[in-house]
Amino acid sequence: NAGVTQTPKFQVLKTGQSMTLQCAQDMNHEYMSWYRQDPGMGLRLIHYSVGAGITDQGEVPNGYNVSRSTTEDFPLRLLSAAPSQTSVYFCASSYLSLQLPNSPLHFGNGTRLTVT
Amino acid sequence: AQKITQTQPGMFVQEKEAVTLDCTYDTSDPSYGLFWYKQPSSGEMIFLIYQGSYDQQNATEGRYSLNFQKARKSANLVISASQLGDSAMYFCAMREGQQGGSEKLVFGKGTKLTVNP
Repeated sequence: NAGVTQTPKFQVLKTGQSMTLQCAQDMNHEYMSWYRQDPGMGLRLIHYSVGAGITDQGEVPNGYNVSRSTTEDFPLRLLSAAPSQTSVYFCASSYLSLQLPNSPLHFGNGTRLTVT
Repeated sequence: AQKITQTQPGMFVQEKEAVTLDCTYDTSDPSYGLFWYKQPSSGEMIFLIYQGSYDQQNATEGRYSLNFQKARKSANLVISASQLGDSAMYFCAMREGQQGGSEKLVFGKGTKLTVNP
């Protein structure tokens, strides 16, 4: 009964380093998304996907890449980390609203990223 | 313009009393869904309640109910009989264009609720 699994839980990077945040779900959800949470800002959408091979940008996509090669996995790549990317990152998934309009987002437990 | 506005950064309530957390939204789409989430200090996001724009009745889930006023574009969360464990951040969110629309869920900035003993 895993739900949405995010790894790692914590990460410290130096400016300019790259890394990939992993996200996997076992609920057969077509919709997957990445958010960042900063104090006083709520959750802001970075990228999202409505199915394998389909991705799109959210509110704050700059500095991040995604791909969706399978239904289960939706990794988030930081290309060249900057201190402004210090944040808590959440992966979330759901059924498409066309399938189930009241389908809520199921969230992973988050990744706390610090860029120095 | 903000799609979701939560005007109360912080709220305080006495244990066992009811509390209302405000949420207003902005959309021109007739089909949308509104969600409320709770985030305790441990950090996980917990889904509480859903209201669809075409739902005839206000949603209820246990001690949570939604005061949905469509004409005013508000979807306030009411928590009855507050408990100490209700202390958390609460987020309102909207999905526009349901039934084949954008799928994106947009969040407000949240309200921090503190329940006092």
